[in-house]
Amino acid sequence: DAGVIQSPRHEVTEMGQEVTLRCKPISGHDYLFWYRQTMMRGLELLIYFNNNVPIDDSGMPEDRFSAKMPNASFSTLKIQPSEPRDSAVYFCASSFGQIEAFFGQGTRLTVV
Amino acid sequence: QQPVQSPQAVILREGEDAVINCSSSKALYSVHWYRQKHGEAPVFLMILLKGGEQKGHEKISASFNEKKQQSSLYLTASQLSYSGTYFCGTGHSGNTPLVFGKGTRLSVIA
Repeated sequence: DAGVIQSPRHEVTEMGQEVTLRCKPISGHDYLFWYRQTMMRGLELLIYFNNNVPIDDSGMPEDRFSAKMPNASFSTLKIQPSEPRDSAVYFCASSFGQIEAFFGQGTRLTVV
Repeated sequence: QQPVQSPQAVILREGEDAVINCSSSKALYSVHWYRQKHGEAPVFLMILLKGGEQKGHEKISASFNEKKQQSSLYLTASQLSYSGTYFCGTGHSGNTPLVFGKGTRLSVIA
């Protein structure tokens, strides 16, 4: 398996634009997590899914953030409209039974 | 609630030992340790479940004190490859996701 695949690896966008981050989890994993990493806050859990169903989105900062998982092999995190304070590295991770989470390489988002 | 890690940063010479601590204000079900190298994704090191167990991974081991709600990661005879940021992630039940600490930056120098 190629591991968790995220795209794009880097994204630079202007304030106000819509940003969509993509994630392909490891086949067979039943949990998918979206994290945001900044120097100030560290790794923050934004939302997680179990068997494609959103379980807890209390970490999503605002209504500008939304996430979907239409099937077991794909998830998106959307920010609309984006703001400079959204700049961070966004990680997607998947696991089987919440034991060992495998992280993707992350998407470095810069909003200017 | 985010666990507290200490120290925030440590510098070691090759061959020296280090201890990284992780404390929670809530009862713990599990503690997970990850290491992240600069510009890379966090990589799983080990998981400890409640029961006060100790686990080992090469020269890296960890303990879990359920009563004190804390875990410690022990790095012995450190190598240059140990450099990175170490995160603990805490779980408060079998069904809740991990909450990560802010990390401990470890630098091993020759």
